[in-house]
Amino acid sequence: EPEVTQTPSHQVTQMGQEVILRCVPISNHLYFYWYRQILGQKVEFLVSFYNNEISEKSEIFDDQFSVERPDGSNFTLKIRSTKLEDSAMYFCASSWTSQETQYFGPGTRLLVL
Amino acid sequence: DAKTTQPPSMDCAEGRAANLPCNHSTISGNEYVYWYRQIHSQGPQYIIHGLKNNETNEMASLIITEDRKSSTLILPHATLRDTAVYYCIVKRGGYNKLIFGAGTRLAVHP
Repeated sequence: EPEVTQTPSHQVTQMGQEVILRCVPISNHLYFYWYRQILGQKVEFLVSFYNNEISEKSEIFDDQFSVERPDGSNFTLKIRSTKLEDSAMYFCASSWTSQETQYFGPGTRLLVL
Repeated sequence: DAKTTQPPSMDCAEGRAANLPCNHSTISGNEYVYWYRQIHSQGPQYIIHGLKNNETNEMASLIITEDRKSSTLILPHATLRDTAVYYCIVKRGGYNKLIFGAGTRLAVHP
């Protein structure tokens, strides 16, 4: 069964450093998403991406964040200058259309020291 | 998107059916009811969704009331591996984001 994969599974970084989280969505899917979950809190939507453009973003997704689909398979989330409060699980998801079911990856645990 | 209300926690004995309720009294005609679950801090796992008819798949059944103001997710024979947080989400067709609430923490015990 096709699945969303994410790398790395864990990332530790120093405050102020840039991090790139990687995702490989399900191969025929066209819509891509990032969510995050701070420890003990709800899963929060960050951004959705379609046709090489951001289609929707939350107020969490400020100028420190960017997304990119650098090739036909990867979808990345970049945090330019990490803050302590960026420590969280980051989940990538994909769907065939905006109306179809979103399938999630296993997540990347980011720890900012 | 319509807001959902779920009990914060439930218990179920292994082998018995787990019935997880969800209220979504402000649901609109074009909004779907989705169920996901999250085991520990793993990625949310899709379970089932429906618009107005009852749905069944290999994981669960979804019963939606006729007025669509509430639904019940049924795990017919719960196992210890079904211990997780279960999220009921109402999503408008064509809109992107899923809005997660706190969900129901289901504990399946021997």
